[in-house]
This record gives sequence, C-alpha cells and structure tokens, in this order.
Amino acid sequence: AQKVTQAQTEISVVEKEDVTLDCVYETRDTTYYLFWYKQPPSGELVFLIRRNSFDEQNEISGRYSWNFQKSTSSFNFTITASQVVDSAVYFCALSEASKGNQFYFGTGTSLTVIP
Amino acid sequence: DAGVTQSPTHLIKTRGQQVTLRCSPKSGHDTVSWYQQALGQGPQFIFQYYEEEERQRGNFPDRFSGHQFPNYSSELNVNALLLGDSALYLCASSFERSPYEQYFGPGTRLTVT
Repeated sequence: AQKVTQAQTEISVVEKEDVTLDCVYETRDTTYYLFWYKQPPSGELVFLIRRNSFDEQNEISGRYSWNFQKSTSSFNFTITASQVVDSAVYFCALSEASKGNQFYFGTGTSLTVIP
Repeated sequence: DAGVTQSPTHLIKTRGQQVTLRCSPKSGHDTVSWYQQALGQGPQFIFQYYEEEERQRGNFPDRFSGHQFPNYSSELNVNALLLGDSALYLCASSFERSPYEQYFGPGTRLTVT
C-alpha cells in the first residue's frame, strides 16, 4: 500500500494565485516525521519543512504554509501569491521511527505557475 | 561548507553492463542513503550505510550493492543493468544523531540503452 499519496499529478495556476498541494499519509507508528521537498528541473531535492507527529501546530514561512491534521492523516502545503519561480515538482515524504531513517515519498505534484 | 556531491552527473550504459555511482556526504555527516527516482515518480529508498555497513535496505534486488568508505563517502553499484534501471539516482546524507535531517545531492542521471 502506498504510504504517501499525492493525488494531484499536475497543477497549473496563474501567477499571484494561491495553490494548495495535498498530501495524505498512512502509518501505524505513533512517532513519525513528515516532509515537503521541492524538486526544480535541475533534479536536486530542496528541503522545505519537517514536522513530527507530536506537533500539529500549523506553520507559516513567508508565502508558504503547512496544515498538519492527524485526524485526516493529511499534511497539505499552500503557496500564497504564487510566483513563476515556484514552478517545480513538490514531494511529500514520510519517515517512521520504527523503520529507521527510510523516507517514503509520494509520486509528486508538478506545479506550473503561468506568468 | 560543501553539500552532498555526486558523480558523475550523467551516465549512459548498455544493458548487461555494470555501473558505479559515487557520493560524498555533507561535511560532518556519517550516514549515506541511496534513492532511485524513475521518471515521473517519487524517489524510492534503495539502502543506507552507516559505519561502513549496510544498515537498512529497501525492496531492490541484489544487483544493487553499495559500499561506504572510512571517510563516509559511498558508492552504489548496479550489476547486469536492465532498461528499467534508467533513473535519477539520489544520494542523501545525514548525521546519525539527527537522522531526519537528510540532505540530498544533485543526483546522477543513468540511462541504460
């Protein structure tokens, strides 16, 4: 079974629009970590955020914000006032304490911001 | 402070051949993980090395093997290449005491023809 599901394969928005990328995860561990990474065309994964399972507090960093809801096993990512530079593939990932440091990635959401 | 580096950047091999990819971890990191990312997919965990030993392994055949050197750098070896091995291979490094802070390298793009 897929541990991380990113149902949105591709999203296109016009510059300055807000966009939310969905992530649903599955785990039986009580201790786990959730991540978001950005992958520009160059290929390198750029770390955006890490949350642990005991911290459901939402976080805002500039134009980025994250909504972590354990009740729905979701960890959604919102970009406010999108910019062309936000165009990339975004990955959600899960790491379970019982599985060591192994990361489980979703299939990614390709975001295109149209100028 | 250099980040994670990988070599080569690109590689083209023929079916049946063997390939070796290299990774140098971020300064101070002692753990190296390898991931395979097929086109249009998310990275998949291959294995992890710590203290020169394979500590964890994902669902990959024995054709995939690795090594970690005393300076913490690592190699990924793939034998008997298949067309399906064509992918971006990513290396990630971390510090044993902070396992969830993984830094990824730029990857090696392997094409098998």
